[in-house]
Order: sequence, then C-alpha cells, then structure tokens
Amino acid sequence: DAKTTQPPSMDCAEGRAANLPCNHSTISGNEYVYWYRQIHSQGPQYIIHGLKNNETNEMASLIITEDRKSSTLILPHATLRDTAVYYCIVRATAGNMLTFGGGTRLMVKP
Amino acid sequence: DTAVSQTPKYLVTQMGNDKSIKCEQNLGHDTMYWYKQDSKKFLKIMFSYNNKELIINETVPNRFSPKSPDKAHLNLHINSLELGDSAVYFCASSPRQGVTGELFFGEGSRLTVL
Repeated sequence: DAKTTQPPSMDCAEGRAANLPCNHSTISGNEYVYWYRQIHSQGPQYIIHGLKNNETNEMASLIITEDRKSSTLILPHATLRDTAVYYCIVRATAGNMLTFGGGTRLMVKP
Repeated sequence: DTAVSQTPKYLVTQMGNDKSIKCEQNLGHDTMYWYKQDSKKFLKIMFSYNNKELIINETVPNRFSPKSPDKAHLNLHINSLELGDSAVYFCASSPRQGVTGELFFGEGSRLTVL
C-alpha cells in the first residue's frame, strides 16, 4: 500500500472548517483513500473513503485531487469533540489490512 | 449495544505471566483483527482472521496466539509476557475481506507488564 504524509499537528478554531491535508504521491490506480480518527483513549473511528471523486457524509467531506496524489479531509464546523488524531490511509481493493501512519493531531480550540 | 467489545479494558500483570484478551463483535462481520498501539501511538496490525481462519500474521512472536472459536469472537492469548508487550491492544472487525476498508474498532485493552 502507498505511503502517506500528513502534518504532525494542526489547530482549528471551534466553529470553523478544519482542513486536513494528506499527500499520497505514490498511490496506485486501485488504491482507495481512507480517513480514520482516534479520540483520546478510544478506538479508531472510520470517517470516510474515496477513490477518485469527492465524497461527503454526515461527518466530513473528502476532496481528492485530479491526479490523486493528495487529498483533504474537511470537517465543516469543527467542535471541541473533533479534537483527535486523524489518519489518512491508502489501501488496495484486495485485502483489508489498514496500515496506520503517524496521523495529524488536530486540536480544536474555543 | 456495543458493536465490538473487548475485555478486560485494563490488565496489569508481571513479566512471565500468561494472559488473554477477549473480543466479540455483534455486527455479523466475517473478518476480525488485532492491532497493537505502542507508547509512541503507532497502530500496527498483528493478525487478521476471516471466518475463523488466519489470514494475516504480521511477524508477531510465537508467544502471541490468536484463537477464533467462531466468526464473532477473536481472542488473543499471550504467553510469557515481556515488558515490551505493554501497549493498548485493539480488536476490530469488518465485512467480507477485500470488500471494504471500513473497520469497526473496540475501545482497546491496555496491558501493562511490570
């Protein structure tokens, strides 16, 4: 699976949009982009995933560049409860193994 | 209802002891996993089981022996515990292998070896 690069930490003001970037320049055509988050002392939680098109669900939006070499997770109105480590993962369609990197520690501040 | 539940949540034990962590999922998923999160917070896959059969074993020492009595349960038994085994262990499940990367994780079991 392709490697991902994320900033180690980011801050965001409560109520503002949080935009978390991820680089995956070696992504292959059959690899999906997944986002998970881990709130302190909890298990990781699935957020969203996509292949080529932008995706939106009740939690977030995922914007994937046309060349698929990077993506951005958008939390439209960040709350204090969104403070967590956010993991960007690329995974091939075959096999369910998810390899977690260091992630981005998002701190939402009042 | 808890989708993926692990017991115990906390476990403190001495070096050399043998301990088990249990995991159960009520989602009807076919595939279950064990992940280890060390003190540096990196999450690493240990094992993957699909319908009670071992699929992935990521170079985990023989002291770790997963057991899946049925597809809803995946227990982790650890022999001769070492200091380096101290970590948080997460169980997870997902629908049929290869279909999706959406994993459902338990709350974790924090193991401390003294």
